[in-house]
Amino acid sequence: EPEVTQTPSHQVTQMGQEVILRCVPISNHLYFYWYRQILGQKVEFLVSFYNNEISEKSEIFDDQFSVERPDGSNFTLKIRSTKLEDSAMYFCATGTGVVRGGNTIYFGEGSWLTVV
Amino acid sequence: KQEVTQIPAALSVPEGENLVLNCSFTDSAIYNLQWFRQDPGKGLTSLLLIQSSQREQTSGRLNASLDKSSGRSTLYIAASQPGDSATYLCAVPEGGSEKLVFGKGTKLTVNP
Repeated sequence: EPEVTQTPSHQVTQMGQEVILRCVPISNHLYFYWYRQILGQKVEFLVSFYNNEISEKSEIFDDQFSVERPDGSNFTLKIRSTKLEDSAMYFCATGTGVVRGGNTIYFGEGSWLTVV
Repeated sequence: KQEVTQIPAALSVPEGENLVLNCSFTDSAIYNLQWFRQDPGKGLTSLLLIQSSQREQTSGRLNASLDKSSGRSTLYIAASQPGDSATYLCAVPEGGSEKLVFGKGTKLTVNP
């Protein structure tokens, strides 16, 4: 069964450093998302991306965050200057259509980011 | 703003028992509702998606119901097995957006 693949699985970084999290979507999927889950908290929406541009973003997704699809396959989340509170599991998700249209989205296994 | 609540937060049952997990949401104007499973340290796996026009959806031993007017959904698991042990999350799209709003989940433990 096709999978959403995320790398790295775990990264430890110093506060203030830049981090790039990578995702390989399922091949025919056109809608891409990043979510995060702080330990013990709810899964939270960060951003949705369609047709090479951000379609929606949450209040969490401030100027420190950016997303892009640099080579038409990978989908990346960049955090420019990490803070301690960015420590979380970051999930990439992809789908063939909009979620409000009843389309399931498929999550990757996550990238666990620890900021020290 | 949509809020999703799940009760109980944790549930421990003996193998073979039938069980019900509950999900409630504050804004009943939803397009659909999804139930996910999350194993420890892993991603989310979609189990069932119920459209707003549906009242039930079934997959194997799982049955999800939706009562939009009361803002509730239940996930029924029949004849539970130790392999069902996981955290179960429900989620709804917020308004007309692409954002899924999740509950905190119910952590299920099925004891052999």
